[in-house]
Amino acid sequence: EIVLTQSPGSLSLSPGERATLTCRASELVFGNYLAWYQLRPGQSPRLLIYGASSRATGIPDRFSGSGSGTDFTLTISRLEAEDFAVYYCQQYGSTPPQTFGQGTKVEFK
Amino acid sequence: QVQLVESGGGLVEPGGSLRLSCTASGFSFSNFYMNWVRQIPGKGLEWVSYISISSATRHYRDSVKGRFIISRDNAKNSLFLEMTNLRVEDTGIYYCARDYSDTSGYWPLGNWGPGTLVTVSS
Repeated sequence: EIVLTQSPGSLSLSPGERATLTCRASELVFGNYLAWYQLRPGQSPRLLIYGASSRATGIPDRFSGSGSGTDFTLTISRLEAEDFAVYYCQQYGSTPPQTFGQGTKVEFK
Repeated sequence: QVQLVESGGGLVEPGGSLRLSCTASGFSFSNFYMNWVRQIPGKGLEWVSYISISSATRHYRDSVKGRFIISRDNAKNSLFLEMTNLRVEDTGIYYCARDYSDTSGYWPLGNWGPGTLVTVSS
């Protein structure tokens, strides 16, 4: 089972600032099949990025993904109020099981 | 638009059983692989189970093998999760989730329901 480790555990930032979240896999992620999700309190997870760098339908371009192999990054270029949430990475290439990271909380500074 | 709505959660004692349902609308349910994912308090997201279009392939995480059964009824646009011998550590919000695309290949989870809460406690 591939273990995904996200860092940092939490990030304190202000609106307009840039957020950089990382996800490291315990072994190569097959096909770079790595996704990022946003989870706001009381809501369902929302797919942001898939295939490491492709934005899902309807996702604003301030969200971008990069990386390959074992190291991946989600960048939010300019934080807006609705972006303060928990973010999870997920690998879906080596299944079962598909696995999630433990999450990074982006909170107001 | 795509809608997934879960039901069947509730409070159950350890060793008890529950049957979760997910009703789909707004897309061709029979064309999509489907999943159950849970959000464990304080632990984040955890994939639980997956079923192929024809139900021929079903996968489970190790901790639920032998206790949970995933199934689907394509004629009724419905997904199910039969949970038996429930444990305290099964407590969480259970989401029904659809693959992002119906084309062959590897896809993440593109659409999620609002979830149903399962609480296992004595």
